[in-house]
Amino acid sequence: GAVVSQHPSRVICKSGTSVKIECRSLDFQATTMFWYRQFPKQSLMLMATSNEGSKATYEQGVEKDKFLINHASLTLSTLTVTSAHPEDSSFYICSAYIGVMNTEAFFGQGTRLTVV
Amino acid sequence: GIQVEQSPPDLILQEGANSTLRCNFSDSVNNLQWFHQNPWGQLINLFYIPSGTKQNGRLSATTVATERYSLLYISSSQTTDSGVYFCAVVEAAGNKLTFGGGTRVLVKP
Repeated sequence: GAVVSQHPSRVICKSGTSVKIECRSLDFQATTMFWYRQFPKQSLMLMATSNEGSKATYEQGVEKDKFLINHASLTLSTLTVTSAHPEDSSFYICSAYIGVMNTEAFFGQGTRLTVV
Repeated sequence: GIQVEQSPPDLILQEGANSTLRCNFSDSVNNLQWFHQNPWGQLINLFYIPSGTKQNGRLSATTVATERYSLLYISSSQTTDSGVYFCAVVEAAGNKLTFGGGTRVLVKP
């Protein structure tokens, strides 16, 4: 079945450093991927839509200079949290549709980021 | 944007009990999915059900798109059913999944 793989699953970094999270579609091509953020005991909130070969589309209130998204190939999107601060600590998770948009979406395993 | 509300927010069940989780949405949708989030955060796909009824083992789901709600049924609950259940929709003419607030389920032995 379809697999979306996310790496790393857990990362701890120091304040002021940058962290890159990878999201790969393993057995299908994804021209569009989505990045979500989840705080403890809350729901998932969409941060941005990652488009292969073009700029990402960010949701209102999400700083595009802090959360850099690159979708350089049909199977890989990356999210870089730049100059991380403790308030950026959260669970980040990506998703993709197989083939046609708005069919079944699949999610990566998620990345738990802790900024100290 | 579309609003998605799930009820109840919390549910405590005795093992073996049945339960119904509800998802209401405020506008027309062309995609609706139910997920189970496990303790490690992984979202497990339960159903892709923009309309109609589906069953998978002890779980079943029904979506009545014209009335803008979906139901997830858990029968003969087991402790492994514990976790958070999310409903997510894509509004018509959109492509982004919007999540409800989730239902936190605890099944006691």
